[in-house]
Amino acid sequence: SQQGEEDPQALSIQEGENATMNCSYKTSINNLQWYRQNSGRGLVHLILIRSNEREKHSGRLRVTLDTSKKSSSLLITASRAADTASYFCATVGGFGGNQGGKLIFGQGTELSVKP
Amino acid sequence: EAGVVQSPRYKIIEKKQPVAFWCNPISGHNTLYWYLQNLGQGPELLIRYENEEAVDDSQLPKDRFSAERLKGVDSTLKIQPAELGDSAVYLCASSLWYQETQYFGPGTRLLVL
Repeated sequence: SQQGEEDPQALSIQEGENATMNCSYKTSINNLQWYRQNSGRGLVHLILIRSNEREKHSGRLRVTLDTSKKSSSLLITASRAADTASYFCATVGGFGGNQGGKLIFGQGTELSVKP
Repeated sequence: EAGVVQSPRYKIIEKKQPVAFWCNPISGHNTLYWYLQNLGQGPELLIRYENEEAVDDSQLPKDRFSAERLKGVDSTLKIQPAELGDSAVYLCASSLWYQETQYFGPGTRLLVL
């Protein structure tokens, strides 16, 4: 079962523009992570934001988390053609028991950046 | 540092045949995960190992799927017999047991005819 829902399902922009992807989830979380998946490849971890954090930056990436709305957004600034990929949010519940470290993924946003 | 290694990368089999996937995690990572990813969907956890112990296999269809992680390093996921609906990408990931970031392999793309 997948907890997250991502919006939009697909996004097409021009190089240099910003891309924003949103993720909503259903239950309380320990942290939320974003992953990128290039076609035919495995997933690459981008950034992790904890439940007590509101915003985090990493290079051209900016992630926000609103636990009251159970939502997160990923902003990619000054996009490049190489950013073309699928982007997934994944939530982690609290550690303990057999839920520790269990990632629950959303369905992903397919980003296309045109040169 | 070498990443997570999976083999084979692609596998085509006929239904009712058995198939096995192999995963070698990042050296020193105690936790190993197998995920199933259907087309257009995010990965879904099948099983998680802490060293040799399967600590979460609640999503593994045990009538046809089995997994093992001997010596707490490499792991094998098996399907017997395969069904048409098993066509998907099977991803392996690993992490240090106390870390939350998971490192994924390239996956095995399975097609059942």
